[in-house]
Amino acid sequence: AQTVTQSQPEMSVQEAETVTLSCTYDTSESDYYLFWYKQPPSRQMILVIRQEAYKQQNATENRFSVNFQKAAKSFSLKISDSQLGDAAMYFCAYRSYGNKLVFGAGTILRVKS
Amino acid sequence: DAGVTQSPTHLIKTRGQHVTLRCSPISGHKSVSWYQQVLGQGPQFIFQYYEKEERGRGNFPDRFSARQFPNYSSELNVNALLLGDSALYLCASSSGTANTGELFFGEGSRLTVL
Repeated sequence: AQTVTQSQPEMSVQEAETVTLSCTYDTSESDYYLFWYKQPPSRQMILVIRQEAYKQQNATENRFSVNFQKAAKSFSLKISDSQLGDAAMYFCAYRSYGNKLVFGAGTILRVKS
Repeated sequence: DAGVTQSPTHLIKTRGQHVTLRCSPISGHKSVSWYQQVLGQGPQFIFQYYEKEERGRGNFPDRFSARQFPNYSSELNVNALLLGDSALYLCASSSGTANTGELFFGEGSRLTVL
């Protein structure tokens, strides 16, 4: 079974600084997708960024980028120029065949002004 | 366009009771999935329905059941509630086939079992 591990229960970052959230996963499959979701206190899960495993190039969405290391099964999220609105719970998630997502336990990100 | 809507947003039940949670997908989306998120943990997959058929089931007891209606809305039913069923129940819809498409989540239904 696939598993996703987020080893940082909580992270803090100063406004305008950069922070990196870690994620590792375990799978025997070669074709899959990886995601980072943000869940603010409003509870709604919002997709931040996605990465297809067959693509070597790391995905980027504005201030958000990933470092995808397929051989190491690592998928970290870098948030640049952190803003107060980035404060939330962040989940790393894995999906292979089908729409079933396997989530990690989450990392709480606090942004200090 | 309206996003994924779920009802009720909050509810309180007692042990042994039954609960029905409802989800309306984004217009045009034919796939609906349900997830359980216990406080402090990541969501866990319960069910996926596509075109009114069950396409996936997570590791949950038979007390959990679901169905999808012709208009693609969905219900999640939980019988004989236990304290451990207290959680946020998330519904997600997608526009692709059963196996593709970005998932869009609703705000969830917060269930408290006393």
